[in-house]
Amino acid sequence: DAKTTQPNSMESNEEEPVHLPCNHSTISGTDYIHWYRQLPSQGPEYVIHGLTSNVNNRMASLAIAEDRKSSTLILHRATLRDAAVYYCILRPNTDKLIFGTGTRLQVFP
Amino acid sequence: DTEVTQTPKHLVMGMTNKKSLKCEQHMGHRAMYWYKQKAKKPPELMFVYSYEKLSINESVPSRFSPECPNSSLLNLHLHALQPEDSALYLCASSPGGIGAYNEQFFGPGTRLTVL
Repeated sequence: DAKTTQPNSMESNEEEPVHLPCNHSTISGTDYIHWYRQLPSQGPEYVIHGLTSNVNNRMASLAIAEDRKSSTLILHRATLRDAAVYYCILRPNTDKLIFGTGTRLQVFP
Repeated sequence: DTEVTQTPKHLVMGMTNKKSLKCEQHMGHRAMYWYKQKAKKPPELMFVYSYEKLSINESVPSRFSPECPNSSLLNLHLHALQPEDSALYLCASSPGGIGAYNEQFFGPGTRLTVL
């Protein structure tokens, strides 16, 4: 399974944009890039996914590098409720979701 | 209903006990999963059921026994557990079929303590 590398932790102030990076240099052509987050005392929650093109949804945007070796999850205006561990996951065309160590995001008022 | 429910929320058991964890979803999803999460670690995949058949077993010890009685229900039977099996057990579901685009919906988990 291809591996992802994320910073252990990041900080942001409320209402500021947050850019969460993820490196995945061994990504294969059929791997989708998924992001999940886990709020304290909850199960993980799907955020967004993409293959090659940038993606937007109501929660976030996903920017994928042209060579697909890295991606960035963008929260446009962080709120206190966005404080969580964010996982960047490479998912081949199987049912397996293999979590990496994730980035713990702290949001300050 | 877009929820995955898990019962019980908390479970304390001795090493000789037999207990079961239950997971339910009514979204019509055909794939269901069990994950184990130790404190401050990411979730680790244990089992995957696809269309009520076990499709992936990540080399989990036999003291954990999954069961999928129907498409809405997933159980995890526990027997002769060790204290190191204490963890948060998460259930998830997804629309089904093999597909890297399918998002997984997670339940809140059962926090298990083995004494």
